[in-house]
Amino acid sequence: TQLLEQSPQFLSIQEGENLTVYCNSSSVFSSLQWYRQEPGEGPVLLVTVVTGGEVKKLKRLTFQFGDARKDSSLHITAAQTGDTGLYLCAGIALSGGSYIPTFGRGTSLIVHP
Amino acid sequence: KAGVTQTPRYLIKTRGQQVTLSCSPISGHRSVSWYQQTPGQGLQFLFEYFSETQRNKGNFPGRFSGRQFSNSRSEMNVSTLELGDSALYLCASSLGQGALGNTEAFFGQGTRLTVV
Repeated sequence: TQLLEQSPQFLSIQEGENLTVYCNSSSVFSSLQWYRQEPGEGPVLLVTVVTGGEVKKLKRLTFQFGDARKDSSLHITAAQTGDTGLYLCAGIALSGGSYIPTFGRGTSLIVHP
Repeated sequence: KAGVTQTPRYLIKTRGQQVTLSCSPISGHRSVSWYQQTPGQGLQFLFEYFSETQRNKGNFPGRFSGRQFSNSRSEMNVSTLELGDSALYLCASSLGQGALGNTEAFFGQGTRLTVV
């Protein structure tokens, strides 16, 4: 079983602060995805990273895939209250001929005004 | 276009009973994946159906089963319910096969199952 460790588990910050969420594994993934989930809703895909060392930017969000494709980070600059939510990373790996997702347990982010 | 629809939204069942959850994918999507989300274990992959066939399966007991119909709608069944089955059950649909791997998946709002 592939494990994906996500940290921190909880994060409570003030609007305007920066933050970084980490996703680590001892396994190699073919790709990695980040999702944001709000209460009462399903996760919504933010980004997919595929190449080792890849960096993707989505407005104030910066995603990085580790060179060895075992870890990833999500950095949010100048957090806003609208960024509040559960952030999930999902590693995608080929298993038995099919792609199987493994999710981290999530980082619950609260941004205070 | 309409998103992924899961019914019912909330469900309360007694231990030992069985339950069937439904998922209607986005029109044109042929892949439906099911997930269990709990505070303790997080989001875990149950199985994926594509063109009415189960293509991938997670590490869950045989009490968890599913099927997909010719219109791509999918149902998930849990038999002999246990207290630990209380969770948010999410389904996601995508155009292609691969349970998140190959193409973007869109999640429904989930069914909140409580077993008492």
